[in-house]
Amino acid sequence: KNQVEQSPQSLIILEGKNCTLQCNYTVSPFSNLRWYKQDTGRGPVSLTIMTFSENTKSNGRYTATLDADTKQSSLHITASQLSDSASYICVVRGTSGGSYIPTFGRGTSLIVHP
Amino acid sequence: DTAVSQTPKYLVTQMGNDKSIKCEQNLGHDTMYWYKQDSKKFLKIMFSYNNKELIINETVPNRFSPKSPDKAHLNLHINSLELGDSAVYFCASSQNRGTSGANVLTFGAGSRLTVL
Repeated sequence: KNQVEQSPQSLIILEGKNCTLQCNYTVSPFSNLRWYKQDTGRGPVSLTIMTFSENTKSNGRYTATLDADTKQSSLHITASQLSDSASYICVVRGTSGGSYIPTFGRGTSLIVHP
Repeated sequence: DTAVSQTPKYLVTQMGNDKSIKCEQNLGHDTMYWYKQDSKKFLKIMFSYNNKELIINETVPNRFSPKSPDKAHLNLHINSLELGDSAVYFCASSQNRGTSGANVLTFGAGSRLTVL
């Protein structure tokens, strides 16, 4: 069964600090993995996409990594800001059959305190 | 211009009523979705339409009926509302290019349904 597990479930950090969110998946065959950011009261917005051949990709202060062998991804946030407070959702797609349907993780709720 | 718009944003209603949520996308995408986000923030897919054709229908009570009059619209009608239907419902769209799967989901802002 295709699954996406995220950790931690929630995280509280001080403004300016770094943090790393984890995503493990069992989706196979693998196509791509996206990290979405969902602000309170809004729909999720894509931050970055990782395909099979990519190990690291940055988008400003966000850096995503992918290890397709161990089926793990991480999202690293550098120098956190108050506006980073949101839910971060890992979404994995496969290439065929049921795995083509995007599989969502339960998200990590990040709170950045001043 | 709003890419994916859904109405209403808030809906409060009594048990047993029938209600609809509308969704429109102006991105020219060929696939539209409805997701339900529960109180624990987990997004669960309900339906997906590709070019007006139903392609995904997860285990959802048949009180929920999606309708796609054209590929830019996907409405959700709910009959005989129950307390457990209270959630935020998100509409999304994407352009499915072959089997690459590299197609970002663009979400609407959500419709918060409260059943009393």
